Amino acid sequence: AQSVAQPEDQVNVAEGNPLTVKCTYSVSGNPYLFWYVQYPNRGLQFLLKYITGDNLVKGSYGFEAEFNKSQTSFHLKKPSALVSDSALYFCAVRVPHGGDKLVFGAGTILRVKS
Amino acid sequence: GAGVSQTPSNKVTEKGKYVELRCDPISGHTALYWYRQSLGQGPEFLIYFQGTGAADDSGLPNDRFFAVRPEGSVSTLKIQRTERGDSAVYLCASSRGGARGETQYFGPGTRLLVL
Repeated sequence: AQSVAQPEDQVNVAEGNPLTVKCTYSVSGNPYLFWYVQYPNRGLQFLLKYITGDNLVKGSYGFEAEFNKSQTSFHLKKPSALVSDSALYFCAVRVPHGGDKLVFGAGTILRVKS
Repeated sequence: GAGVSQTPSNKVTEKGKYVELRCDPISGHTALYWYRQSLGQGPEFLIYFQGTGAADDSGLPNDRFFAVRPEGSVSTLKIQRTERGDSAVYLCASSRGGARGETQYFGPGTRLLVL
């Protein structure tokens, strides 16, 4: 079965420091991977995706993610965190041969302290 | 341009009642998805439309749940005989459709509370 794991319920980082939010996946075939961010009482906002090509993907608001096939990971990163980055982050994978539905991880709360 | 809109933003109902949740996708998007997000969890897929037809309804939990998209634009998720376990945020998303890996853009959700 296709699945996504976000091993950390919460990540705490000081403003200005680099941040990493982890994601690993289990899927047969080539995965399409996505990161979304959710602010309180808001819908999910798209950050970035990996489909093919360069393993380092750059997205919105200075975020980037690195696809690592051997480790089946797609960690989200940002060189310098902002307090406004504090939110709930979801990793998702499109299921190959399963239409276009996304399978989401449980989410990671990011807290950036000033 | 306008994003995905969902109405109502909040819905409180009593156990056993019928509810309808509406989704208005981004103009021109042919693909439309419904997900359900329970507290503390990631969204879970319910159903996917390509145009007017349901291309994949494998995520609908039981026959109390039904969704339509009669003209290929607006979609309505219908829940009959609601149960307290149906309480969740129902999210709608749309994408251009057609190509693999198209980004799904989400609406703000409808928060359903069944008393």
